Amino acid sequence: DTAVSQTPKYLVTQMGNDKSIKCEQNLGHDTMYWYKQDSKKFLKIMFSYNNKELIINETVPNRFSPKSPDKAHLNLHINSLELGDSAVYFCASTQGGGTEAFFGQGTRLTVV
Amino acid sequence: GENVEQHPSTLSVQEGDSAVIKCTYSDSASNYFPWYKQELGKRPQLIIDIRSNVGEKKDQRIAVTLNKTAKHFSLHITETQPEDSAVYFCAASAGGTSYGKLTFGQGTILTVHP
Repeated sequence: DTAVSQTPKYLVTQMGNDKSIKCEQNLGHDTMYWYKQDSKKFLKIMFSYNNKELIINETVPNRFSPKSPDKAHLNLHINSLELGDSAVYFCASTQGGGTEAFFGQGTRLTVV
Repeated sequence: GENVEQHPSTLSVQEGDSAVIKCTYSDSASNYFPWYKQELGKRPQLIIDIRSNVGEKKDQRIAVTLNKTAKHFSLHITETQPEDSAVYFCAASAGGTSYGKLTFGQGTILTVHP
């Protein structure tokens, strides 16, 4: 059983398009996150949701809009894609702070 | 906000040698320090973690030490094996309103030569 799963695994799209990435966790965790890993492998938090409420927004452009329909799901919608958005996006979940973060398999987004 | 510095950026060792990766953090409120291993094309996975009320933790060939006063923590891998080759990330997290947000170091590419 996959604990945190995200789809799609690969996404290739043209500049200006809008795309979504979906994430689901079956761990019963109350907090979910989106992290971005750039070409230099640097991992940086984008958003965090706790029980469907947005609690962290790390100065991400408002072209990125997360949505959490319930505490097991956290989706990421990106409008007007730019070349610089190309990266691997990881979803993760934890049961509160100070506990192990479980990551999804990542979505490699390539904007051409 | 929190800032985590990690060194070295690359580390090459012979099989059987030890490897040490060091990190420093800036926020004295940070109290949880995990280490993640990421193999090529895979997700980051936790290998060991330590909390601020503990100075050292060991799990078989892997150990982590924490110096709260100096705000640094280190990962030690003994008897390295080729399958230890990966990117290793340290991270720091504060309690309370951080809700488990992890601030990562820049990563260390570890290569273990047979």
